[in-house]
Amino acid sequence: QSALTQPPSASGSPGQSVTISCTGTSSDIGGDNSVSWYQHHPGKAPKLMIYEVNKRPSGVPDRFSGSKSGNTASLTVSGLQAEDEADYSCSSYGGSSNYVFGTGTKVTVL
Amino acid sequence: QVQLVESGGGVVQPGRSLRLSCAASGFTFSSYAMHWVRQAPGKGLEWVTFISYNGRTQFYGDSVKGRFTTSRDNSKNTLYLQMNSLRDEDTAVYYCAREGDPRHFDYWGQGTLVTVS
Repeated sequence: QSALTQPPSASGSPGQSVTISCTGTSSDIGGDNSVSWYQHHPGKAPKLMIYEVNKRPSGVPDRFSGSKSGNTASLTVSGLQAEDEADYSCSSYGGSSNYVFGTGTKVTVL
Repeated sequence: QVQLVESGGGVVQPGRSLRLSCAASGFTFSSYAMHWVRQAPGKGLEWVTFISYNGRTQFYGDSVKGRFTTSRDNSKNTLYLQMNSLRDEDTAVYYCAREGDPRHFDYWGQGTLVTVS
């Protein structure tokens, strides 16, 4: 199972929006709605931000939103804040009892 | 609150073995499937293993199949990862994570570093 493809980096100024893409195949993202997104600050535990394509766990700000079209999922962070600077990874169930993660995107708040 | 604490990491020579533990608290451990996920230096996250809530079913990523074994002791609220025949490419931070419904990772530990050298 190959990793999902994410851009290595993304950036935006405070208050702006940034969108991160996550491209897979019809065997993973395209074939299943279990797409999730994780925020990861170095040295800390990854944090679930979005699950089932577009659902937010309690406590996650509504500035974070998710979507999916075909084999590509996206995470949008609106109204960027300094604390949003982190690594973000997508994940999908890949079928055949496999799970697959994205290559990771470093978001920088300018 | 949900807490997952990994331990057992360290430096190990290629070909040797290591066992990681993940102590769970703040939830009914025996009701949840669990995973191990790793991140090699400079790389993205990689799913390693799945174990069902009762320990009867396990799945493994291709890169560790036949070398790693996951298990759990629900009486001790602890998840384990037995790693045998370790290779340089197994060097990574290893995280345990709880499975949320459906098929995502809703809580993670802070990880334990394994260095194969």
